[in-house]
Amino acid sequence: ETGVTQSPTHLIKTRGQQVTLRCSSQSGHNTVSWYQQALGQGPQFIFQYYREEENGRGNFPPRFSGLQFPNYSSELNVNALELDDSALYLCASSALAGRPETQYFGPGTRLLVL
Amino acid sequence: DQQVKQNSPSLSVQEGRISILNCDYTNSMFDYFLWYKKYPAEGPTFLISISSIKDKNEDGRFTVFLNKSAKHLSLHIVPSQPGDSAVYFCAAKVGGDDKIIFGKGTRLHILP
Repeated sequence: ETGVTQSPTHLIKTRGQQVTLRCSSQSGHNTVSWYQQALGQGPQFIFQYYREEENGRGNFPPRFSGLQFPNYSSELNVNALELDDSALYLCASSALAGRPETQYFGPGTRLLVL
Repeated sequence: DQQVKQNSPSLSVQEGRISILNCDYTNSMFDYFLWYKKYPAEGPTFLISISSIKDKNEDGRFTVFLNKSAKHLSLHIVPSQPGDSAVYFCAAKVGGDDKIIFGKGTRLHILP
């Protein structure tokens, strides 16, 4: 059984660019949540996908968007990058929506916006 | 507006002693609380949780206490071990909502 994986591990972008981050869920998990963790802060909920549909969203602007694929892997897209988007982006998968204790987190993608 | 607050950025405890990590919350609608542990270069790992209908939950060396009137919870680790050195996040959620609100974390150092 493979865990949650994320790619890339690190990347650097410039302000105004667009970025796509990827997450492969743990086998059998149909729910994926994305979080942003800025330096010195706790993770902040961006949104969740359940069976390819958005299933809840935090206080993030529309330039943060996502997709979930039939194999339950997921993408986080951020358009018009701003300096404050520099953070660790975590994804977490679970087999049961509404049961956060069943979530498994990936190691994260560290994004630096210059 | 920080709904979940961990006011101690770091804590150092002697190996074998008790570690107590504290967390306060402001939203009285929260009814489920969780603690996560995070090592460098890894994602957070779920540690223990408690429902608002309970005031204590225990799992091995880890016990979480909830004081609803004070809007306060704490995580006790007894005895503390070197592998417990990590960042601990307190988190909370409301009912069926999948949005988890995290605190800023407390870095625990277990001293030999």
